Amino acid sequence: DADVTQTPRNRITKTGKRIMLECSQTKGHDRMYWYRQDPGLGLQLIYYSFDVKDINKGEISDGYSVSRQAQAKFSLSLESAIPNQTALYFCATSWTEPGQRGINEQFFGPGTRLTVL
Amino acid sequence: EDQVTQSPEALRLQEGESSSLNCSYTVSGLRGLFWYRQDPGKGPEFLFTLYSAGEEKEKERLKATLTKKESFLHITAPKPEDSATYLCAVLDSWGKLQFGAGTQVVVTP
Repeated sequence: DADVTQTPRNRITKTGKRIMLECSQTKGHDRMYWYRQDPGLGLQLIYYSFDVKDINKGEISDGYSVSRQAQAKFSLSLESAIPNQTALYFCATSWTEPGQRGINEQFFGPGTRLTVL
Repeated sequence: EDQVTQSPEALRLQEGESSSLNCSYTVSGLRGLFWYRQDPGKGPEFLFTLYSAGEEKEKERLKATLTKKESFLHITAPKPEDSATYLCAVLDSWGKLQFGAGTQVVVTP
């Protein structure tokens, strides 16, 4: 079974609709992230959460909101979808260890392809 | 403004033809540089982390190196299964990961 799962994998919706993308992880990681990927652009950070009570905006948070329901679950909502939110969305997780010097890598889910008509 | 730039955008190689991908960055307070591989329709897969200039990491036909302003991913004697998009990401002093746009590599038999 995959360690980081995303639902749905594909979604087509209309302008103005509310959409929720869900992410679950079984890795036991404390940190979770939401990114979007557009052709020719790098992954852009939407929101990130270092633990259940710590949620932060990324570089492109306008039009999005998130909820960290539990350590293992992190949802992304589009309150009123618009066509330029058509993209590939990825959830990622990472972990921290007390006293560690290095930074741990992020593990990505399989992505959700969202189309807003 | 912090930037991460990857070049070339696309690379077509014959099987066995070694080459290098470049990732240059202007992020201040670098805390780490990551290389990922991404196959079509899938999430990025972690390859390497580099922390300081002069550091090198190897995995099969891939070798990553780091200087103060750039990183290289060397692909030695590539095989068709090395075809993918390779992403570079830099961790800044705020703890956020900034990605480059990637280099799409196609290896033909």
